[in-house]
Amino acid sequence: NAGVMQNPRHLVRRRGQEARLRCSPMKGHSHVYWYRQLPEEGLKFMVYLQKENIIDESGMPKERFSAEFPKEGPSILRIQQVVRGDSAAYFCASSPFASGKGMSNEQFFGPGTRLTVL
Amino acid sequence: GENVEQHPSTLSVQEGDSAVIKCTYSDSASNYFPWYKQELGKRPQLIIDIRSNVGEKKDQRIAVTLNKTAKHFSLHITETQPEDSAVYFCAASIRDLEMRFGAGTRLTVKP
Repeated sequence: NAGVMQNPRHLVRRRGQEARLRCSPMKGHSHVYWYRQLPEEGLKFMVYLQKENIIDESGMPKERFSAEFPKEGPSILRIQQVVRGDSAAYFCASSPFASGKGMSNEQFFGPGTRLTVL
Repeated sequence: GENVEQHPSTLSVQEGDSAVIKCTYSDSASNYFPWYKQELGKRPQLIIDIRSNVGEKKDQRIAVTLNKTAKHFSLHITETQPEDSAVYFCAASIRDLEMRFGAGTRLTVKP
């Protein structure tokens, strides 16, 4: 069972360009989370998605940022018109569907995408 | 929503000593409390977790305690080794899956 996959691992963009970050959850996992980590800082929750639904986007900036998790294919975190302050590591995590009856809550993290905005 | 606070932000111990990291949470409905270790340039990885129906859990040199009344939980590492040096994150899960992380503790174990 392959782990959580993210690509690209490193992404360089110039100010004003768009960044698209992809996350393929572990097989059988239908819940995806995106986190941002600035250098020397903690994990900041951005958005939580299930297939075709955004469950909680309270941590995501209202402008320029969007996320989706389509029925088929990876989850995408999209950042439009990037600015230097967007430079960070973006981690995706996935977890299995839980019915509240004792199944694992563990989130499995991908290797991250390191975005650098020039 | 849930708010998780973690202390200290940095911790330096001598090899062989114990290290303790503490977290508090705000939502009494939280029922799952994992701890993640993140080495430099790597992804966070789960090292131990505890559920709200348990007060303590141990795995070799690592233990976690939970006080539901006070809404705090702690990570204890005994007989620390240089390879324990990393950033440690606590987290609390409200309902089943939504999770909020603490700001992290940078642990340095000096040989």
